[in-house]
Amino acid sequence: EDKVVQSPLSLVVHEGDTVTLNCSYEVTNFRSLLWYKQEKKAPTFLFMLTSSGIEKKSGRLSSILDKKELFSILNITATQTGDSAIYLCAVSRLGTGNQFYFGTGTSLTVIP
Amino acid sequence: NAGVTQTPKFQVLKTGQSMTLQCAQDMNHNSMYWYRQDPGMGLRLIYYSASEGTTDKGEVPNGYNVSRLNKREFSLRLESAAPSQTSVYFCASSEVRYLLYGYTFGSGTRLTVV
Repeated sequence: EDKVVQSPLSLVVHEGDTVTLNCSYEVTNFRSLLWYKQEKKAPTFLFMLTSSGIEKKSGRLSSILDKKELFSILNITATQTGDSAIYLCAVSRLGTGNQFYFGTGTSLTVIP
Repeated sequence: NAGVTQTPKFQVLKTGQSMTLQCAQDMNHNSMYWYRQDPGMGLRLIYYSASEGTTDKGEVPNGYNVSRLNKREFSLRLESAAPSQTSVYFCASSEVRYLLYGYTFGSGTRLTVV
């Protein structure tokens, strides 16, 4: 059975801290892994990763994929209160019409 | 730029009532999806439509039906609502040919069945 597991489930940090969020997966015929940020409403896209070892970066956020060990990490440096959200990891398989399988998410709270 | 529009945003139903959640996208995407989000369960796929004229079951289709009315619109119907269907429902769309950006989500419908 396909599985996407995120850790930790929740995290509370102070502004300025660096955090690392984890996503491990067991999916046959892996195609891609996505990270989303969900605040009060709809998830918004952060990164799509398809190749091992290539870091994707956007401002203070970065992510990398390890297809051998079947995991990805999302790093956030110099956290701000606006980073408080649920971070979702999702994985897609080849030949499934672009379906994504989501983890349960990591809830990040950044306190001033 | 509306993106993906869902209606209604909130709904309370009594057990046994029926309702249809509407979703429309203006990005000319081929694929559309319905997910439900429950605490501790993440997002789970109910149904999807890879292209106009096709629909397929996802992980949790029981108790739901869908209609891909045209390329823009994909509706989700609860024929006889049950308390277990209390959830937040998200519609999403994507263009399979361009996999760089994943899904675009609607803002969600919070449904409570009492």
